[in-house]
Amino acid sequence: QSALTQPASVSGSPGQSITLSCTGTSSDVGGYNYVSWYRQYPGKAPKLMIYEVSNRPSGVSNRFSGSKSGHTASLTISGLQAEDEADYYCSSYTSSNALYVLFGGGTKVTVL
Amino acid sequence: EVQLLESGGDLIQPGGSLRLSCAASGFTFSSSAMRWVRQAPGKGLEWVSLISGGGGSTDYADSVKGRFTISRDNSKNTLYLQMNSLRADDTALYYCAKVSCRADSCLDSWGQGTLVTVSS
Repeated sequence: QSALTQPASVSGSPGQSITLSCTGTSSDVGGYNYVSWYRQYPGKAPKLMIYEVSNRPSGVSNRFSGSKSGHTASLTISGLQAEDEADYYCSSYTSSNALYVLFGGGTKVTVL
Repeated sequence: EVQLLESGGDLIQPGGSLRLSCAASGFTFSSSAMRWVRQAPGKGLEWVSLISGGGGSTDYADSVKGRFTISRDNSKNTLYLQMNSLRADDTALYYCAKVSCRADSCLDSWGQGTLVTVSS
């Protein structure tokens, strides 16, 4: 099963906004509003940042927002801070495999 | 507070077996589906297996199907992953995670991971 497609890296300066993309198909991202985003610092476990396309769990900064258009989901980080430098993974429900979910390959965010 | 604590990772020879455990606390364990997710060194996240809250439904990634078995003991609030016929490409940090959201589509809590190294 192919993974969702994410850019390998995205960078931005402090205070800027950046957008990470996550592209799938009609069997996953395009077909369901069940996209999640995770942040992972080196050597640490992933943390849920966005669920069901645009919902933030309690405690997640409102600088993080999610959206979807067609087969592509997006995570926008506003007011970029040094602490945002991490790997970000998207995930989506899928009707195409028994595990019902797919991961993207991850995007490395660098704060310049 | 939800806590997930994995254990059981080790250095193991190819062809060997290992059982991972994940002790859960801070939530109603029997009501939550659980997943194992792994991450090879320097690589991305990979789904491994899923089990329903009652344990009656399980699924596996093609890469581990027939070799790994997921199970749970709800009386002990513990999740397991029995890993047989281990191969070098099973080397990874293994996380257990609590399933949440609609369609069980997200993981809202993760353990710190346990390292499995398959090498002769």
